Amino acid sequence: GAVVSQHPSWVICKSGTSVKIECRSLDFQATTMFWYRQFPKQSLMLMATSNEGSKATYEQGVEKDKFLINHASLTLSTLTVTSAHPEDSSFYICSARDRTGGLSRSYGYTFGSGTRLTVV
Amino acid sequence: AQKVTQAQTEISVVEKEDVTLDCVYETRDTTYYLFWYKQPPSGELVFLIRRNSFDEQNEISGRYSWNFQKSTSSFNFTITASQVVDSAVYFCALSEAGFGNEKLTFGTGTRLTIIP
Repeated sequence: GAVVSQHPSWVICKSGTSVKIECRSLDFQATTMFWYRQFPKQSLMLMATSNEGSKATYEQGVEKDKFLINHASLTLSTLTVTSAHPEDSSFYICSARDRTGGLSRSYGYTFGSGTRLTVV
Repeated sequence: AQKVTQAQTEISVVEKEDVTLDCVYETRDTTYYLFWYKQPPSGELVFLIRRNSFDEQNEISGRYSWNFQKSTSSFNFTITASQVVDSAVYFCALSEAGFGNEKLTFGTGTRLTIIP
């Protein structure tokens, strides 16, 4: 079945440093990758959409210079939180769609397992 | 603009009871998809179901069932004979305009606690 591997699952970093989160599609080509953020006990909010080989599209209010997204290949997308601050502490989760627009296993979007970022 | 409302923030039921999670959506599109996801404490999102706007048939999968009613813009989820393992946050979500590059809009989630 379709699997998206997300790493790391959790990370603690110092304020001012950068953190990179990776999402890999293991058995399909992810032409589109979505990045979501979830604050504690809140819903998932879309941050940006990235299509392989092109620039990411950011949702309103999301700083593109702070949250750098790279989707250079059909199997890998990365989110880099630059100069992280405590308010960036959150749960970040990616989801992927394949070229055909649907994944036979789930008929939906396949999500990574998420990354819990804590900035101290 | 699309919107998903899950009015129930938290629900607690005793094991083996039935429980229904409500979901109401808003969209201007005639073609859209509705989803339910389960988020256990570990955080990952587990896909439960996808429904397209042209298929109003109710669906049953084991102890899970879904009631889609376009007339009331609702897509409710029922768990029968609940079990402790059902404890999680459940999200309803909406995707507009078919299966392209469209984003998912999530509801605020319902935290379900099954009491042993």
